[in-house]
Amino acid sequence: GQSLEQPSEVTAVEGAIVQINCTYQTSGFYGLSWYQQHDGGAPTFLSYNGLDGLEETGRFSSFLSRSDSYGYLLLQELQMKDSASYFCAVMGGGFKTIFGAGTRLFVKA
Amino acid sequence: SAVISQKPSRDICQRGTSLTIQCQVDSQVTMMFWYRQQPGQSLTLIATANQGSEATYESGFVIDKFPISRPNLTFSTLTVSNMSPEDSSIYLCSVYRDRDTGELFFGEGSRLTVL
Repeated sequence: GQSLEQPSEVTAVEGAIVQINCTYQTSGFYGLSWYQQHDGGAPTFLSYNGLDGLEETGRFSSFLSRSDSYGYLLLQELQMKDSASYFCAVMGGGFKTIFGAGTRLFVKA
Repeated sequence: SAVISQKPSRDICQRGTSLTIQCQVDSQVTMMFWYRQQPGQSLTLIATANQGSEATYESGFVIDKFPISRPNLTFSTLTVSNMSPEDSSIYLCSVYRDRDTGELFFGEGSRLTVL
């Protein structure tokens, strides 16, 4: 079977740093992705890790440890517009992408 | 970069009826994916649609309930058959913008409400 676990909710203040963790168990693994979704919108791609290590894209960074089946998304210099749901997702067997349950991020002033 | 058009964007349907959702991509793609997102929930993969072959359905989804067509490399349809209120969801079509980077690109979704 396949499963991904991430916290359901995180709250942080503007300007802070927040880390959203994701652990996964899948059959077949190509990489771990992160998506952002604002209410009423479609998910949008943030980052992808196919290999172990850290990927940085502006204020967002993502990390993967394949041996630990673990990754995280790091958001720095939080802004109010970062309030959204964040999904980790695994591209696995058959090149299908399976999503975690999502983490709701609330950014407070 | 891919552009995905989905129709309808929203609809209100009566119990027992069927509705077909269309997904048009502006470039040729091998794999197209259909997801469902129930209110406040995550995205659940319904099926993978490859041109020229039967769609591959995930556990819990069957062809009789969610028939899929994939007549060419730019178009797919998903039908939600014999709808019940439990089918009220957003249905999303997606393709890989770049499979090597794992980047999925989504249409804006079709929001169905079943009364």
